[in-house]
Amino acid sequence: GAGVSQSPSNKVTEKGKDVELRCDPISGHTALYWYRQSLGQGLEFLIYFQGNSAPDKSGLPSDRFSAERTGGSVSTLTIQRTQQEDSAVYLCASMRDSGANVLTFGAGSRLTVL
Amino acid sequence: DQQVKQNSPSLSVQEGRISILNCDYTNSMFDYFLWYKKYPAEGPTFLISISSIKDKNEDGRFTVFLNKSAKHLSLHIVPSQPGDSAVYFCATHPVRWGSGNTPLVFGKGTRLSVIA
Repeated sequence: GAGVSQSPSNKVTEKGKDVELRCDPISGHTALYWYRQSLGQGLEFLIYFQGNSAPDKSGLPSDRFSAERTGGSVSTLTIQRTQQEDSAVYLCASMRDSGANVLTFGAGSRLTVL
Repeated sequence: DQQVKQNSPSLSVQEGRISILNCDYTNSMFDYFLWYKKYPAEGPTFLISISSIKDKNEDGRFTVFLNKSAKHLSLHIVPSQPGDSAVYFCATHPVRWGSGNTPLVFGKGTRLSVIA
């Protein structure tokens, strides 16, 4: 597509439930990143994909967080047994290739855990 | 431990005046810097960048200055317009450009309000 598409744009869930957030990157972009922005905080790196593999998972805050990418395109970020501190805007970004530097972000998925 | 620091959470400027947003970084190995702008309910969008081989990069009303010895960069917007009101993030790649996909490290952002 023309831009990075994320869904849902808004998700309200109860503590303890699992959620899935989806990212559809720009067509042809091989690198895909997940960040999150909690209230009053900057952009926190979570995980990055090059193609379908994730060379850098260092930012995932706990083992409740996982992500996958299939077909070198769509990625899903899954949060199991959500906690209130997981409430944040989850941002996905893609980049053309390893020679590029500029990330193009989606509008984000706002997650609220009650 | 923050690698990129934006110490001013907010800044208010009158329309037509200059806005100066500041950013400090901790590691002299950082050599490529970017500024992103974010409006509410939208993702951040790339604004301007600078490589450490330069000390200034200009694009229209936006200029970024880099002071490597002080590990400091700043974004100047002149003249400021109400449409510039947004959150501005400073970011860097911790490795040399083109050598890998290390993730961008962002500051916490500065909210700029341009008052008409």
